Amino acid sequence: RKEVEQDPGPFNVPEGATVAFNCTYSNSASQSFFWYRQDCRKEPKLLMSVYSSGNEDGRFTAQLNRASQYISLLIRDSKLSDSATYLCVVRLPSGGSNYKLTFGKGTLLTVNP
Amino acid sequence: DTEVTQTPKHLVMGMTNKKSLKCEQHMGHRAMYWYKQKAKKPPELMFVYSYEKLSINESVPSRFSPECPNSSLLNLHLHALQPEDSALYLCASSQDGTISYNEQFFGPGTRLTVL
Repeated sequence: RKEVEQDPGPFNVPEGATVAFNCTYSNSASQSFFWYRQDCRKEPKLLMSVYSSGNEDGRFTAQLNRASQYISLLIRDSKLSDSATYLCVVRLPSGGSNYKLTFGKGTLLTVNP
Repeated sequence: DTEVTQTPKHLVMGMTNKKSLKCEQHMGHRAMYWYKQKAKKPPELMFVYSYEKLSINESVPSRFSPECPNSSLLNLHLHALQPEDSALYLCASSQDGTISYNEQFFGPGTRLTVL
């Protein structure tokens, strides 16, 4: 089983739609969770950290269910500028006192006019 | 300022060349990272430096040699690369590599082509 699995996509939605991304992780020792977005031929940019109580930032809502090892990202009222690849990212202990990020394969979102 | 800078933006090199990639951050971060990303794949961790010491090497071939001259700079020395090493090389930094919730910030990457 892969460490981080995401919806394979791609997702094509009209402007104004609500779109949900799902992600599961296999290692119960995972410590912290993030959503990054990556535009074509650009670097990943942090979209939001995901907290146990769930968190919201404008049109974006992230949820974490540690019991089910499941993370989600909801985008409301999608804009053309939301078109990007969304990466689910989990931080795992990696020996000693170190941590490393493990990335899902990403889900491509295209928002159409 | 949450900027990580990388030079060069693009690099084309032959299999016998020696080149270096450079990364710099002035956020006072004490952990720096090298990732490799192939097209349509997620980034893969290569190396982690924590407080200027190499703390993670993800079994990267020796033709890639990292160096951390000081807390703001990270280099990746390249020698005798193969065409399959062509990829986007991303540098990242975080405040402290030993704290799990620290967010990582990525530089724009160096797009490397090995001929």
